[in-house]
Amino acid sequence: GAGVSQTPSNKVTEKGKYVELRCDPISGHTALYWYRQSLGQGPEFLIYFQGTGAADDSGLPNDRFFAVRPEGSVSTLKIQRTERGDSAVYLCASSFSGRNEQFFGPGTRLTVL
Amino acid sequence: GDSVTQMEGPVTLSEEAFLTINCTYTATGYPSLFWYVQYPGEGLQLLLKATKADDKGSNKGFEATYRKETTSFHLEKGSVQVSDSAVYFCALSDIGRGSTLGRLYFGRGTQLTVWP
Repeated sequence: GAGVSQTPSNKVTEKGKYVELRCDPISGHTALYWYRQSLGQGPEFLIYFQGTGAADDSGLPNDRFFAVRPEGSVSTLKIQRTERGDSAVYLCASSFSGRNEQFFGPGTRLTVL
Repeated sequence: GDSVTQMEGPVTLSEEAFLTINCTYTATGYPSLFWYVQYPGEGLQLLLKATKADDKGSNKGFEATYRKETTSFHLEKGSVQVSDSAVYFCALSDIGRGSTLGRLYFGRGTQLTVWP
C-alpha cells in the first residue's frame, strides 16, 4: 500500500515569503506528526494531530508556524515570513491511534535564501 | 524533560566487524524505545523497538535491549555489511501507561560507514 507522501520534495523560497508543505498520511491513520530535521541533527517534534485537532503543538518554534488538518487526513504546514533559519527537512509521520509505530514520509527540503 | 543521548559518529567499520552504537535516555514515565535508520537518499525507517524493560528488539541482524537500570538501549550487530551503511537514530516515545501523545524524541544520529 501507499506510504506517507509529502509534497513538494524540494522548496526554495526567499526570505520573507510564505510557504505551504503538504503531507498525505497512510490511509486509516488518525495520528499525524510533523518534525523538523536540521543538518546533522535528529528530527525535532513540531506538532501532533489526533484526527482534525492539534493535540500537541508545543514544538512549533513561534507563531510564524501553523498547521492544519481540516478533514482528519491531509495536513498542511504553513510558514509565514520565512527566515533563513527555517531551512531544514520537514518530515511528516502517521500512525494508528494508540499505536507506537510512526511511519515517515520522505520529507520536504526547504531552503530559504 | 524526555531526551535521548546518542553516541556521536561517524563510525567506520570493515565488513563483518561487530557494531555497537550507544544510546541512553532520560524519561519521567515508561517510554517505548526505538532505533530508526535512514539509508542514503531515503526516508526514516523503523529498524526495531522495545516497549518495556528487558524487552529485546531485533531486526535484520540488529538487536537492542531495553535496560531500565542503566537507562540504555544500545544497538548491536554481530557482523555488519556494506549495505548497513546509513544514519542510525535512537528515539523514545512517551506513549503508553495512559499517555496518548506519542511524540518521538530523537538523538542526533550516528553515521555508519562499512567498507568492503
